[in-house]
Amino acid sequence: AQSVAQPEDQVNVAEGNPLTVKCTYSVSGNPYLFWYVQYPNRGLQFLLKYITGDNLVKGSYGFEAEFNKSQTSFHLKKPSALVSDSALYFCAVMPHNNNDMRFGAGTRLTVKP
Amino acid sequence: NAGVTQTPKFQVLKTGQSMTLQCAQDMNHEYMSWYRQDPGMGLRLIHYSVGAGITDQGEVPNGYNVSRSTTEDFPLRLLSAAPSQTSVYFCASGRTGQEQYFGPGTRLTVT
Repeated sequence: AQSVAQPEDQVNVAEGNPLTVKCTYSVSGNPYLFWYVQYPNRGLQFLLKYITGDNLVKGSYGFEAEFNKSQTSFHLKKPSALVSDSALYFCAVMPHNNNDMRFGAGTRLTVKP
Repeated sequence: NAGVTQTPKFQVLKTGQSMTLQCAQDMNHEYMSWYRQDPGMGLRLIHYSVGAGITDQGEVPNGYNVSRSTTEDFPLRLLSAAPSQTSVYFCASGRTGQEQYFGPGTRLTVT
């Protein structure tokens, strides 16, 4: 079955600095890849997805992610972090041939002023 | 357009009790799913449905039942609640192969 690894439980960055939240995946065949964000006591909000095509995907709130097939990675990035970006971030993978979406354990991003 | 709605927001059950968590969506999505979220474990798929009358098991289906009689509704039933089912439950919907939209969650405590 497919799986996702988010190797960092916690990422801390200063406001204005670039941020990266890492994600690697394992799936048979080509993947659909997603990033979601969760604010306290809220449901998950969709940020961006990779389905096919350009490896660099741009999403909401200035976030982007790069699909790297050889490294089976889909890291989330933002050039300049905001304090309001502080939240829990989840990477998810789904194979093309079914709807079984699997999530990583999540990475808590803290952006300090 | 309300999106994905879930009721109740909070629930406390005693061991052995049964209950149904309600989920509804008004976006005409064919795909609906239930997840549970536990600290340090991310979201784990319980059951999902690709259309009315069709359901399938996810990663952690034991102790839960689902049915899908309409496109809009996808209730999750706990048959005999156990403390291990204490969790936050999220319902989601989407088009097949696309991103999912999540409800606000139900926080369940089983004592």
